[in-house]
Amino acid sequence: DVKVTQSSRYLVKRTGEKVFLECVQDMDHENMFWYRQDPGLGLRLIYFSYDVKMKEKGDIPEGYSVSREKKERFSLILESASTNQTSMYLCASRLAQRSYEQYFGPGTRLTVT
Amino acid sequence: GESVGLHLPTLSVQEGDNSIINCAYSNSASDYFIWYKQESGKGPQFIIDIRSNMDKRQGQRVTVLLNKTVKHLSLQIAATQPGDSAVYFCAENYGGSQGNLIFGKGTKLSVKP
Repeated sequence: DVKVTQSSRYLVKRTGEKVFLECVQDMDHENMFWYRQDPGLGLRLIYFSYDVKMKEKGDIPEGYSVSREKKERFSLILESASTNQTSMYLCASRLAQRSYEQYFGPGTRLTVT
Repeated sequence: GESVGLHLPTLSVQEGDNSIINCAYSNSASDYFIWYKQESGKGPQFIIDIRSNMDKRQGQRVTVLLNKTVKHLSLQIAATQPGDSAVYFCAENYGGSQGNLIFGKGTKLSVKP
């Protein structure tokens, strides 16, 4: 079974702090994704990566950046956290060329105070 | 069905009854659709998928129906159990080579014992 893990389940940060969210997958998937999930708004794509050192903006990239130095790891960075970035963050991976199915991690609930 | 507001639509069913969750998709060029189940505090989990060259696909206790004429997708759960209580959302692919998914906002299913 594919396993996608995220570094923290719950995180509380202060406004202006730099925040790192880490995601690791163990199935050698090429594609990885970061979403945020807010009540009534569903999943919105922040950034995605097709392969190592590659990144593409999603629908809501403002205020975020990403890093993919190794195939199994995809990091989301909030350069200067703001209260409107309080949300559930979900990481997903996909084996390119095989299926559109994405495998999700358990999520990180981030609160910015 | 899907909601554009802040509150998820809710479907409440009696244990043992059948459940039908609906989804309207947006892109007539989408050729792949997927249903996810998200339990409280967890990441989304794959339930079933269907390609646009099919009208119906069955899994274990679940059936997905696709009506391309009206761009409508439904998930039927037979003999609903308390463990089925969760948020369900559909997703469609963009139809392009990137293969990214667009997610619906979800429906909350509550099963009454």
